[in-house]
Amino acid sequence: KAGVTQTPRYLIKTRGQQVTLSCSPISGHRSVSWYQQTPGQGLQFLFEYFSETQRNKGNFPGRFSGRQFSNSRSEMNVSTLELGDSALYLCASSFPGEGSSEQYFGPGTRLTVT
Amino acid sequence: LAKTTQPISMDSYEGQEVNITCSHNNIATNDYITWYQQFPSQGPRFIIQGYKTKVTNEVASLFIPADRKSSTLSLPRVSLSDTAVYYCLVGVLSVAGGTSYGKLTFGQGTILTVHP
Repeated sequence: KAGVTQTPRYLIKTRGQQVTLSCSPISGHRSVSWYQQTPGQGLQFLFEYFSETQRNKGNFPGRFSGRQFSNSRSEMNVSTLELGDSALYLCASSFPGEGSSEQYFGPGTRLTVT
Repeated sequence: LAKTTQPISMDSYEGQEVNITCSHNNIATNDYITWYQQFPSQGPRFIIQGYKTKVTNEVASLFIPADRKSSTLSLPRVSLSDTAVYYCLVGVLSVAGGTSYGKLTFGQGTILTVHP
């Protein structure tokens, strides 16, 4: 079974631009979560989607948004990029089972904002 | 969500058994204890999960005492490729009627360095 895939793997953008990252979950997984990882803040939860609906959201500004499609693929968008948005963005998928903390992470997208 | 405390770093040598202990005094009844491994510039990888007593899989064992206020990840006979950051997490991805959907809370983790 194929793992979680993320595209692109690397991205360089300029401050003020916007960016869209894509995530394809493991087949059969309907929950997709997004995380931001930086050296200073570690791994931080952005949001989670299930059946095309955002069910949970972390403490990030409105410039960070996402969506999920009917095939469970997800995208996240960051508008008006800031230097501090440079990070590794990770997508994780899971089977919607109760009582579990098992998520499968993709390789991440390394975003550099200049 | 329960907060976890684990050592910032550990050193070991190839072939040794490594035990990483995590404390989680405020663990809730529904919470599971889960460990992830992360290599540089890669996403975390699920290692093992347990609720109580002992769980073993092909790569690790997880020991959880009766009060569940701590847990120990045991890696048998480590190799150089086990050098990574190990995260202890307490929680559950989804609780009926709750607000924890899809959210894992990662601490700073333990940097394990395995020496030749």
